[in-house]
Amino acid sequence: AQRVTQPEKLLSVFKGAPVELKCNYSYSGSPELFWYVQYSRQRLQLLLRHISRESIKGFTADLNKGETSFHLKKPFAQEEDSAMYYCALPAFNTDKLIFGTGTRLQVFP
Amino acid sequence: GAGVSQTPSNKVTEKGKYVELRCDPISGHTALYWYRQSLGQGPEFLIYFQGTGAADDSGLPNDRFFAVRPEGSVSTLKIQRTERGDSAVYLCASSLTPGTSGHNEQFFGPGTRLTVL
Repeated sequence: AQRVTQPEKLLSVFKGAPVELKCNYSYSGSPELFWYVQYSRQRLQLLLRHISRESIKGFTADLNKGETSFHLKKPFAQEEDSAMYYCALPAFNTDKLIFGTGTRLQVFP
Repeated sequence: GAGVSQTPSNKVTEKGKYVELRCDPISGHTALYWYRQSLGQGPEFLIYFQGTGAADDSGLPNDRFFAVRPEGSVSTLKIQRTERGDSAVYLCASSLTPGTSGHNEQFFGPGTRLTVL
């Protein structure tokens, strides 16, 4: 079955520290993976997707098929990065998204 | 332009009552999705519309849940005989017609927080 696992409920770092939010998936075939973010009092929004291979707000994520991972990384965390982060992939042959349980990132000054 | 809107933002009801939750997608988006997010969980898929028809309703938990999109725009999620376990944030999202390659970005509304007492 397709599944997304985010093992950390909470990740706390100080400003300027590196950040890595973990995401592992199970999927038959070549998945398309996404990171969505929800800032306080805002709606869920797309942060980045692996096929675009771009850096958004300093975040990058590389799809590692061997490890079935899509970890989100940023070399220097900022306070404004504090938010809930969800990893997601579309269910096989559909457009409905399967989300992980989310990781709350707290960046302290 | 305006994003996805959902009304009401909060709904408190009593066990056994009927509720309707409304979603107004981005103009021109043919695909519309409903998700449910319980406390401490990620969003879980309920139903997906392509135009007026429900293309996939495999996520609806039981027959108390029903959704419509009669004119291919606004959608209403209907819950009959509500139970305390239905309490959650109900999210709506819309996207352009799914492409033949890649998946279109889903734009989410602010959600409706449903509390069943």
